[in-house]
Amino acid sequence: SQTIHQWPATLVQPVGSPLSLECTVEGTSNPNLYWYRQAAGRGLQLLFYSVGIGQISSEVPQNLSASRPQDRQFILSSKKLLLSDSGFYLCAWSVRNLLSGKKSEQFFGPGTRLTVL
Amino acid sequence: AQSVTQLGSHVSVSEGALVLLRCNYSSSVPPYLFWYVQYPNQGLQLLLKYTSAATLVKGINGFEAEFKKSETSFHLTKPSAHMSDAAEYFCAVSPWGYQKVTFGTGTKLQVIP
Repeated sequence: SQTIHQWPATLVQPVGSPLSLECTVEGTSNPNLYWYRQAAGRGLQLLFYSVGIGQISSEVPQNLSASRPQDRQFILSSKKLLLSDSGFYLCAWSVRNLLSGKKSEQFFGPGTRLTVL
Repeated sequence: AQSVTQLGSHVSVSEGALVLLRCNYSSSVPPYLFWYVQYPNQGLQLLLKYTSAATLVKGINGFEAEFKKSETSFHLTKPSAHMSDAAEYFCAVSPWGYQKVTFGTGTKLQVIP
């Protein structure tokens, strides 16, 4: 069966410090991968998605970046955190049917709670 | 472009009462529709999905949703609320062939004993 891991589970960082959040998926190949941020009262905001190694699409201009160095690894980074970067970060994956273009629903990881002070 | 509107950011029901969470969508092509549940400090868990088969979709934990194209709605219902249903619920839409999913802003369900 497929599983998705995120770490760390919680993180407290000072303003201006760097960030690296990691997401890995097991039990599937060539998944679509997604990073979301959930801020209080604002629902889920899609930050990045990736359909393959090295292929990253950014949805929102910001001081965050994403990378996909391996098929099942997705990393969210920042060089200098802002207070507004605080939130709950969720990684998700979906299966992509290469022949039809159809895809499955998204499966979510447990999330990382980031607090920027 | 697609969008989702969830009516009511907070809904309260008594234990044993009907649960109705509303979701309306817009999509320029036939949509896939989803309902997810999120418990505090956890990720989202899929409750059910509509992918153009039966319009009445049954999911986990006794929930179901009906796709109504004429009303562009996909409301979530459960005949009898349990205390364990207290959580936040998200409706989501993804047009066929698209890689992205658009989520609603969520509805927090409170179950009163």
